[in-house]
Amino acid sequence: AQSVTQLGSHVSVSEGALVLLRCNYSSSVPPYLFWYVQYPNQGLQLLLKYTSAATLVKGINGFEAEFKKSETSFHLTKPSAHMSDAAEYFCAVSDRTGGFKTIFGAGTRLFVKA
Amino acid sequence: KAGVTQTPRYLIKTRGQQVTLSCSPISGHRSVSWYQQTPGQGLQFLFEYFSETQRNKGNFPGRFSGRQFSNSRSEMNVSTLELGDSALYLCASSVGLASLNTGELFFGEGSRLTVL
Repeated sequence: AQSVTQLGSHVSVSEGALVLLRCNYSSSVPPYLFWYVQYPNQGLQLLLKYTSAATLVKGINGFEAEFKKSETSFHLTKPSAHMSDAAEYFCAVSDRTGGFKTIFGAGTRLFVKA
Repeated sequence: KAGVTQTPRYLIKTRGQQVTLSCSPISGHRSVSWYQQTPGQGLQFLFEYFSETQRNKGNFPGRFSGRQFSNSRSEMNVSTLELGDSALYLCASSVGLASLNTGELFFGEGSRLTVL
């Protein structure tokens, strides 16, 4: 069975500081991994995805994530936080049959202080 | 290209009633997944449909059901509503074919259900 654990339900950073959101996964087969972002009163939007090509994945809005098989991690980073990054972020895993059942982590709410 | 459309966006029901939510996927997408989002439980997978067949199901009681039509539009139904069913119900579409699918889900804005 697949599962996702996001460390920290809330993360607060200052504007311009590094953003690091942690995600660990469990999967019995090589996974697809995703980060999604959700703004208030909206659905989820894909930030980036890992599908077995490069282990360092670049996404939208300056975010990137690194797949580390040995650590079963897929942490999300951004070098410099912007006020507009304040949102909830979800890590997700699906098996390689492609999205038939995508499992989401509990989410991490990012606060950005001026 | 139009995105995923969910209707209604907001609705209020009372305990014991039933509700039907609708989802129109992106044109060409044949897979529709449903999720329940609550503050306490996060995003919980309900079920996934592909070509009118349920391919996968989460751990929800039988009061939660769904279906998919030949045009890929999907509906989910919750019968005998309970207070705990209050949630944001999200629909997501994808290509659905393993050979073409990168796994990305495209979400609608959700239907917010309040049960009184």
